[in-house]
This record gives sequence, structure tokens and C-alpha cells, in this order.
Amino acid sequence: KQEVTQIPAALSVPEGENLVLNCSFTDSAIYNLQWFRQDPGKGLTSLLLIQSSQREQTSGRLNASLDKSSGRSTLYIAASQPGDSATYLCAVRPEVDKLIFGTGTRLQVFP
Amino acid sequence: EAGVTQFPSHSVIEKGQTVTLRCDPISGHDNLYWYRRVMGKEIKFLLHFVKESKQDESGMPNNRFLAERTGGTYSTLKVQPAELEDSGVYFCASSRSRGSTEAFFGQGTRLTVV
Repeated sequence: KQEVTQIPAALSVPEGENLVLNCSFTDSAIYNLQWFRQDPGKGLTSLLLIQSSQREQTSGRLNASLDKSSGRSTLYIAASQPGDSATYLCAVRPEVDKLIFGTGTRLQVFP
Repeated sequence: EAGVTQFPSHSVIEKGQTVTLRCDPISGHDNLYWYRRVMGKEIKFLLHFVKESKQDESGMPNNRFLAERTGGTYSTLKVQPAELEDSGVYFCASSRSRGSTEAFFGQGTRLTVV
């Protein structure tokens, strides 16, 4: 059974710091892995999608890596800003057509 | 292009009542998914439509939940009768094709059963 774990559960940092959010999954048989952002009371915004054949994806200050064999992904946020404050969710897509989510990392960036 | 839209954004109902949630996927997206997040838990899959057909409903909690997607456009998720443990946020997502493509989520419907 696929399980997705995210650490840390919560993180509070000053503005400007570079951050690493971790995601691990138990079954390496996945189509892809997707990172989302959720703001309080809002929906999920897709940040990055990494296919199983890829090692990393980049979008602006965000970089996500995938090591499928070890069941790990990291989301790197460069030069964090208060506007990055949100919950970050990692989700894997196993062989069947559904996403398995982690419980998320709640990030607060203070000025 | 409009995103995935869900109605209502919030719903408060009494135990035993019926509630119907609606999801309008992105135009042209054949795949539509329902997920939910109950308090303190991770988001979990409920079911998946391909056009109007239910492809996978393995995540539906019990027979009090009924999902439909008539005509392969919008979808409804009915809870009847609602129980306290049904409270949570119900998300809808859509994608153009199966498997390797990106899923786009709506803002969710927060359901509170009192």
C-alpha cells in the first residue's frame, strides 16, 4: 500500500532563507509526482509535476527533485518570501489513476 | 480558460439531511476526480470519472455517497443522509488525459455536519 510522508509538518523561517521540504513514498511504482500549494480556505494550486522518468523540474524560485528508486522527492524554495506562506502538499500517482497525498508541510515565512 | 469550479464553497447541514456538491471541470477534460480531506488527515481519493463513466470508485466511504456525471460534463456528489464524520473539505479535480498528465483542483467545498 502506497504511503506518502512529508517532513517537517510545520516550518517557520525568516524571509530570504532557502528551504527544503521533504516527501517520501513507500512504493516506487509511480507515474509521476506532483507538488501543490494550498492557501488557507483555498483550493490546491499545482506547482510542479515530475514524471517518473525525470529527475527534477524547475519553475521560478522552485525546484523539485525526484529519486524514484529511493522513494524521495524534495521541493527547494529559494529566497523565501512572506507570500510563500502556505501548506505544501506532495502527491504521487501510482499505477492506477489516482493521487496519493501526504499530510503536508505548513510553511510560514515572516518578514 | 476557466479553472475547476465547485459549488457551494461552504455548506452547513444537520445530521440526517441531504447535501449535493457540484463540480464543473475544465472544458475538454474527460477525467474528473473527487477527493476529500477530513480534519487532521491527508486528502484522500474518492472516485474517478472518465467522461460519464465511473472508472474507479474504490475510495467512496459507503453507500450514503452517490456521484454522478451525466453527459460527461459537470459532476455532483450527493451525501444522503449526512453523518457527523462526513464533515471535511471535498475537492474536485480534472485532467485532460489519464496517467501522466497534471491534475487541476477546484477550491473545494467545506462541508460541516452538525
